[in-house]
Amino acid sequence: DQQVKQNSPSLSVQEGRISILNCDYTNSMFDYFLWYKKYPAEGPTFLISISSIKDKNEDGRFTVFLNKSAKHLSLHIVPSQPGDSAVYFCAAISLYGNKLVFGAGTILRVKS
Amino acid sequence: NAGVTQTPKFQVLKTGQSMTLQCAQDMNHEYMSWYRQDPGMGLRLIHYSVGAGITDQGEVPNGYNVSRSTTEDFPLRLLSAAPSQTSVYFCASSRGVYTEAFFGQGTRLTVV
Repeated sequence: DQQVKQNSPSLSVQEGRISILNCDYTNSMFDYFLWYKKYPAEGPTFLISISSIKDKNEDGRFTVFLNKSAKHLSLHIVPSQPGDSAVYFCAAISLYGNKLVFGAGTILRVKS
Repeated sequence: NAGVTQTPKFQVLKTGQSMTLQCAQDMNHEYMSWYRQDPGMGLRLIHYSVGAGITDQGEVPNGYNVSRSTTEDFPLRLLSAAPSQTSVYFCASSRGVYTEAFFGQGTRLTVV
């Protein structure tokens, strides 16, 4: 039973346009959310995070939105660049746990 | 600046063999963890440690052992390898569970 779900296995976007990656979660005790990016043959790298007390966090071209009532978060990349092509993982941490739970990942392809 | 170092990068084992995947970090992080990545499953937590001498189970601990005798090292032992343990294994470290995790480059393990 996946507590963190990324229902889109892949997404293809034109260079310069917006990429929107979605993530849903089922555990209402999750209070901190992170996005990681992974290139082939490399380990994941941290991208951006958001606490449950916020609904938006921005870092350059990357913005994460959190909708607690819908148990939904999204990562916006504007503008998308070919170097953004990677697998993006959504992850969450429970207030009462020490465990980082990951979604299955979404493959983003940015076409030039 | 090594970060998180995993060895080996590739390994082929026969069913029933045992082996240890090594993980070392030089950032003085208290929190370390092991994940496995399988297609369509994302990253699943195997075991984690919140400090030297303290370990706990993650989502998929069966068939694996860990120990944490020093802050720097967190080896993962496969007791009797099975084909179901064919996967890519990632070690990660962070200052705490609510902070950015740094991942190693991964170990691709094949059990035949």
